[in-house]
Amino acid sequence: KAGVTQTPRYLIKTRGQQVTLSCSPISGHRSVSWYQQTPGQGLQFLFEYFSETQRNKGNFPGRFSGRQFSNSRSEMNVSTLELGDSALYLCASSLGGLAGGLALEQFFGPGTRLTVL
Amino acid sequence: AQTVTQSQPEMSVQEAETVTLSCTYDTSESNYYLFWYKQPPSRQMILVIRQEAYKQQNATENRFSVNFQKAAKSFSLKISDSQLGDTAMYFCAFMKKEYGNKLVFGAGTILRVKS
Repeated sequence: KAGVTQTPRYLIKTRGQQVTLSCSPISGHRSVSWYQQTPGQGLQFLFEYFSETQRNKGNFPGRFSGRQFSNSRSEMNVSTLELGDSALYLCASSLGGLAGGLALEQFFGPGTRLTVL
Repeated sequence: AQTVTQSQPEMSVQEAETVTLSCTYDTSESNYYLFWYKQPPSRQMILVIRQEAYKQQNATENRFSVNFQKAAKSFSLKISDSQLGDTAMYFCAFMKKEYGNKLVFGAGTILRVKS
């Protein structure tokens, strides 16, 4: 079974631009979560989508948004990029459960390294 | 809000020896899950072990085991017979059931296994 894939793997943008990152979950997984990893702040939860609906949201500004498609693939978008948005963005997928219940294991992708100049 | 603290930024261990990584957390909840994740230098994060808070028995996965002290809110990871491939960043993580799949991570501990 293929793992979680994220595209692109590397991105370089300039301040003020916007960026879209993509995540394809493991087949059959309906939940996709996004995390931001930086040396200073560590790993922080951005949001989670389940069956095309945002189920949880972290403490990030509205410039960070996401969506999930009917095939469970997810995208996250960051508008008006700032230098502090430079980070490794990790996507994780999990089964999510038929009733949206707790999935005990999240499978992480390799991440997208975003550099904002 | 839940917090997870890993007080050891870096640790090293000789190959074949045993090492223990510490983790404490703060929560008022009784129903939650705890995890240890490993992130090797290649960056792919993988689950090492998980513990359900309502289970008193400590979880074990091959060379990896935990010491879960619910009253003390402590969740340490013991790695036995350390191998070079265990070199990685280790993250302790908390998940409150009602929050769905939101993981709250500690700052991580870099573990270096030396030959």
